[in-house]
Amino acid sequence: NAGVTQTPKFRVLKTGQSMTLLCAQDMNHEYMYWYRQDPGMGLRLIHYSVGEGTTAKGEVPDGYNVSRLKKQNFLLGLESAAPSQTSVYFCASSSSWGTGDQPQHFGDGTRLSIL
Amino acid sequence: GENVEQHPSTLSVQEGDSAVIKCTYSDSASNYFPWYKQELGKRPQLIIDIRSNVGEKKDQRIAVTLNKTAKHFSLHITETQPEDSAVYFCAASMYSSASKIIFGSGTRLSIRP
Repeated sequence: NAGVTQTPKFRVLKTGQSMTLLCAQDMNHEYMYWYRQDPGMGLRLIHYSVGEGTTAKGEVPDGYNVSRLKKQNFLLGLESAAPSQTSVYFCASSSSWGTGDQPQHFGDGTRLSIL
Repeated sequence: GENVEQHPSTLSVQEGDSAVIKCTYSDSASNYFPWYKQELGKRPQLIIDIRSNVGEKKDQRIAVTLNKTAKHFSLHITETQPEDSAVYFCAASMYSSASKIIFGSGTRLSIRP
């Protein structure tokens, strides 16, 4: 049982390049989330999904797109990378919200640098 | 929307002493308050949480208190040990809305030997 797995772990991009971050979970969770973590700013929600085929915007969605074609996978895309998107990206998942103790389980993170 | 403020941003305590981290929130509808611990270079991990119908919850050396009237909650770590050194994040959310989980900015806790 791997939990939440993120790939890649590290990546360096040039401004304007595109890339996709992959998050996979094997806990059959309905909810999945993408966060970015910047120094002194905690975790900020980019996009989230409440189930297969659904996505929604979080706190800081601009410059990112997501897709949830399969329940176990949640992809985060950067169409045209900008230096302001240099950050550590965390994926998380949880079972259905509002039914009791439903903490979020995080992946190990992806460290992304945009030059 | 919800806003969560966390204090202090850094905290250094002598091993064996207690550490207290405080958070305030703005949305009175928030009813779930988790705390996460993040060691250097690792993922955030849930260490304790509390719901709005409870004023205090304890798990061994860790306790969380909640004052809904004042809209603040605190993490208490007693008998601190070197392995408690990490960044701690509080968060506030509503059961019914996944998008409304908001994290504090974090507290870097250092335990002095």
